[in-house]
Amino acid sequence: DAEITQSPRHKITETGRQVTLACHQTWNHNNMFWYRQDLGHGLRLIHYSYGVQDTNKGEVSDGYSVSRSNTEDLPLTLESAASSQTSVYFCASSPQLADTQYFGPGTRLTVL
Amino acid sequence: GNSVTQMEGPVTLSEEAFLTINCTYTATGYPSLFWYVQYPGEGLQLLLKATKADDKGSNKGFEATYRKETTSFHLEKGSVQVSDSAVYFCALLNDQTGANNLFFGTGTRLTVIP
Repeated sequence: DAEITQSPRHKITETGRQVTLACHQTWNHNNMFWYRQDLGHGLRLIHYSYGVQDTNKGEVSDGYSVSRSNTEDLPLTLESAASSQTSVYFCASSPQLADTQYFGPGTRLTVL
Repeated sequence: GNSVTQMEGPVTLSEEAFLTINCTYTATGYPSLFWYVQYPGEGLQLLLKATKADDKGSNKGFEATYRKETTSFHLEKGSVQVSDSAVYFCALLNDQTGANNLFFGTGTRLTVIP
């Protein structure tokens, strides 16, 4: 079955370190998204991509970057982790614009 | 701009009780509306959706009707089960603004007790 996976599922890191969270989908969806989930905020968009070599900033993009070198993967990088980036991160993909998004299981990141 | 306001939680109900979780939205044009559910330790799953006014989305006994006149998309279920315990998110997608991302409410935690 096609699916969307994230790794690692849990990560603890230190302030200032670079961290990369992986997202991989096997649906061949063009559209991929990264959200963070925090209490009192729901989910907020970090970055998104509509296809290979396309990346766009979302609502809370500061301190994060993404790259899209193929259809299946959209890794999220925290250039220099900060305690404010402690959160649960969700990746999602959709087949068409304005279509249902399908979510991965999430990565819980703790920055000490 | 686009935003979603949903009922604060947590909500605790007895099994077989009636559930309503309120959701209202602000958007230009005609967004699509969604309810997602997040079970403990899992990612979000689409529960139901509606893409135009007066549409009713339904799934697993849950229903929500897209009401443009009241800008609402309230989630209802006639008889909840313990297995419905989860966090429920209302969301909108407004492709008319050029951003094809979802705008989420803050989530409502539902606990159903036997």
